[in-house]
Amino acid sequence: NAGVTQTPKFQVLKTGQSMTLQCAQDMNHEYMSWYRQDPGMGLRLIHYSVGAGITDQGEVPNGYNVSRSTTEDFPLRLLSAAPSQTSVYFCASSHGLAGGTETQYFGPGTRLLVL
Amino acid sequence: DQQVKQNSPSLSVQEGRISILNCDYTNSMFDYFLWYKKYPAEGPTFLISISSIKDKNEDGRFTVFLNKSAKHLSLHIVPSQPGDSAVYFCAVPEGGGKLTFGTGTRLTIIP
Repeated sequence: NAGVTQTPKFQVLKTGQSMTLQCAQDMNHEYMSWYRQDPGMGLRLIHYSVGAGITDQGEVPNGYNVSRSTTEDFPLRLLSAAPSQTSVYFCASSHGLAGGTETQYFGPGTRLLVL
Repeated sequence: DQQVKQNSPSLSVQEGRISILNCDYTNSMFDYFLWYKKYPAEGPTFLISISSIKDKNEDGRFTVFLNKSAKHLSLHIVPSQPGDSAVYFCAVPEGGGKLTFGTGTRLTIIP
């Protein structure tokens, strides 16, 4: 079991470029989500999904796009990168059987620098 | 407006002593609370949880206390060990796999 995997580990972008952060899980979890971590602000929810084909916005969705075509994968797209999107991004998943109180499993993170 | 607050950004504790990390929340409807631990360059990992029907939950060296009237919870680690040095987040699940996190407390255990 690889758990939650994220690629790339580190990326440098120029302002205006687009990219996709990949997230995959092999635990057959229904729930997946994306967070960003910034200094002094904890982790903030960007987008989340309760199953394939279903996504919704979190606290800070602007500038990001998601889709969930399979249970395993939940990619996060930056449409036109801005320096404010410099952050560490974490993907998480959980089985969804306990109404949201079950343990969430996090990936190792992607560190993104936008110049 | 932050619903989950950790007012101490950092804490240093001698090895072997007790570490106490605090968390306050504003919404009295919250009924489940979690603590996550995060090492540098890794994702957060679940540590311990507590339901609002309890005021204490213990797991080995880790105990979480909940004071519903004060909307306050605390994580006690005793005895503290060097491997406990990490950032600790309290979090509230809000359904659909969503978590609302506090800002975190960086705990440093001094050998």
